[in-house]
Amino acid sequence: GNSVTQMEGPVTLSEEAFLTINCTYTATGYPSLFWYVQYPGEGLQLLLKATKADDKGSNKGFEATYRKETTSFHLEKGSVQVSDSAVYFCALVKGGSEKLVFGKGTKLTVNP
Amino acid sequence: NAGVTQTPKFRILKIGQSMTLQCAQDMNHNYMYWYRQDPGMGLKLIYYSVGAGITDKGEVPNGYNVSRSTTEYFPLRLELAAPSQTSVYFCASSYSGLKGGNTIYFGEGSWLTVV
Repeated sequence: GNSVTQMEGPVTLSEEAFLTINCTYTATGYPSLFWYVQYPGEGLQLLLKATKADDKGSNKGFEATYRKETTSFHLEKGSVQVSDSAVYFCALVKGGSEKLVFGKGTKLTVNP
Repeated sequence: NAGVTQTPKFRILKIGQSMTLQCAQDMNHNYMYWYRQDPGMGLKLIYYSVGAGITDKGEVPNGYNVSRSTTEYFPLRLELAAPSQTSVYFCASSYSGLKGGNTIYFGEGSWLTVV
């Protein structure tokens, strides 16, 4: 079946550090890939997405590239801020499906 | 900008009690979803609806029921609450579903504890 594996947290960084959160997936065909962010006490918000191989999604300084050859969609940011502290979820959806498949989430804490 | 609104935000239920989680969206979205999020886990789809009068099971539907009589509302019913249903519940909506990577919008969540 379809699945998403993302790196275990929690991750703690200092402000302005470089961030990478790894995400790999298992799926047949060409799923669409997403990163969602959940701030404390809130629902999930779409951070970025990519719908085909080699696409790069980007938003708010975050980037992720859809790598078909390595079945990966790693999230990166060059310089994190305290306000980036949140839980980040990698997810996929297969074409024709209405079911988002989520990873377990990675909690990021950024210290001043 | 109401978006997706869920009530209640917090609820404690006793084993065997019933309750309904309410969800409303004001974006005229056709698709609506209910997810649950267990501690340290990703979200899992309970039920979804592609339009008024149409519902379908997701990954973990047992113990729940839904109805969709109008476009705006998509309530989730727990008939006989069990401790395994302790979770955070999220309602979401989308204009035309997830095809092509379309965006879905989540509510703020409902924290349910069954004791």
